[in-house]
Amino acid sequence: AQSVAQPEDQVNVAEGNPLTVKCTYSVSGNPYLFWYVQYPNRGLQFLLKYITGDNLVKGSYGFEAEFNKSQTSFHLKKPSALVSDSALYFCAVRYTGRGGGNKLTFGTGTQLKVEL
Amino acid sequence: GAVVSQHPSWVICKSGTSVKIECRSLDFQATTMFWYRQFPKQSLMLMATSNEGSKATYEQGVEKDKFLINHASLTLSTLTVTSAHPEDSSFYICSARGSNEQFFGPGTRLTVL
Repeated sequence: AQSVAQPEDQVNVAEGNPLTVKCTYSVSGNPYLFWYVQYPNRGLQFLLKYITGDNLVKGSYGFEAEFNKSQTSFHLKKPSALVSDSALYFCAVRYTGRGGGNKLTFGTGTQLKVEL
Repeated sequence: GAVVSQHPSWVICKSGTSVKIECRSLDFQATTMFWYRQFPKQSLMLMATSNEGSKATYEQGVEKDKFLINHASLTLSTLTVTSAHPEDSSFYICSARGSNEQFFGPGTRLTVL
């Protein structure tokens, strides 16, 4: 079965500082990896995805993520955080191989708080 | 990206009544739609997957007779919470997948009194 772990419930960072939100995954075969952001009482907004190719993926709003196969990680990063980045971030994995069901499995989410 | 809408955005109902939530893909045809449930400060839990014109596939532990899903067209899926109870109060999010990408609706906040 596929699974996603987000070890931090909350990440606090000062505006202007770099931020990292951690994600590790477990899936047999090649995963599709995603990051989504959720603002209060809203649905999920797509940030970026890794399917294949370059391990460094660039996405919306200046976010990027690095796929590390040996560490089975897909950490979300941004060089300079903004207060408006404060939100709930979800990592997700989709396994398209046999038995995967082609379904997204979400991590438990990490609340990012960016302060002045 | 593509747009997925949900209606209503919030609903309050009395215990024992039924509530229908609509999910529409506005600018693409969704061969597959997903319904998720999210409790406060928790992750999204997949409830069911539906393909247009066929019966929905429910996740383990989700009562199919309580959460009725209809995917009658390539742009519309509905979730009906039947005989709602306070424990059904939650944030329900639909998602639609076209050729490859999966897009999420804005969610519906259901409160059962």
